Amino acid sequence: DIQMTQSPSTLSASVGDRVTITCRASQSISSWLAWYQQKPGKAPKLLIYKASSLESGVPSRFSGSGSGTEFTLTISSLQPDDFATYHCQQYNSGWTFGQGTKVEVK
Amino acid sequence: QITLTESGPTLVQPTQTLTLTCTFSGFSLTTSGAVVGWIRQPPGEALEWLALVHWNDERRYSPSLESRLTITKDTSKNQVVLTMTNMDPVDTATYFCAHRRGWVTGPFDYWGQGILVTVSS
Repeated sequence: DIQMTQSPSTLSASVGDRVTITCRASQSISSWLAWYQQKPGKAPKLLIYKASSLESGVPSRFSGSGSGTEFTLTISSLQPDDFATYHCQQYNSGWTFGQGTKVEVK
Repeated sequence: QITLTESGPTLVQPTQTLTLTCTFSGFSLTTSGAVVGWIRQPPGEALEWLALVHWNDERRYSPSLESRLTITKDTSKNQVVLTMTNMDPVDTATYFCAHRRGWVTGPFDYWGQGILVTVSS
């Protein structure tokens, strides 16, 4: 099984900050990586697919990069609506999620 | 517009079998490439993929849970059913069904709202 490790587990930030979350795969997954945003009591929302492709309707302040085993999600200027938990997911072999990164108010 | 809705019991006893139904609209599981999956999330924990069913009835299961899971589709009702046997308190989680994008593989682009299932006597 491919394991996905996110860091940090929790991130404290302020509105306007640039935020970066890292996701590492236990083996190469090419670019078969997605990022999701999840708010309490809600389903995950797809933000990024194929490592760097922005899902339709998602603000351009969200961006993804990486390939192979190391990936990042960047929020260029954090907005109030962005405080949430972010999950990475590989879909190269099966479907495995990271443990999540909670972005909280500093 | 694609929508999915989970239904089923919210409380099951240990050792019982859980049966969850996903009712969807906006696409058909008779269309080539259509795929529906189940994912769960224990309270405060990570998401875990459970199972998938394809338009051609191909089924995929999480290796760690395969012996306990069965996924089926009813194309006439636009439903996908997941059964999980021998439920245990550690299976307490919110269970989501989702539409998977892509012909061979892909992310889950549309999700149901989820159903919280508690396993307790």
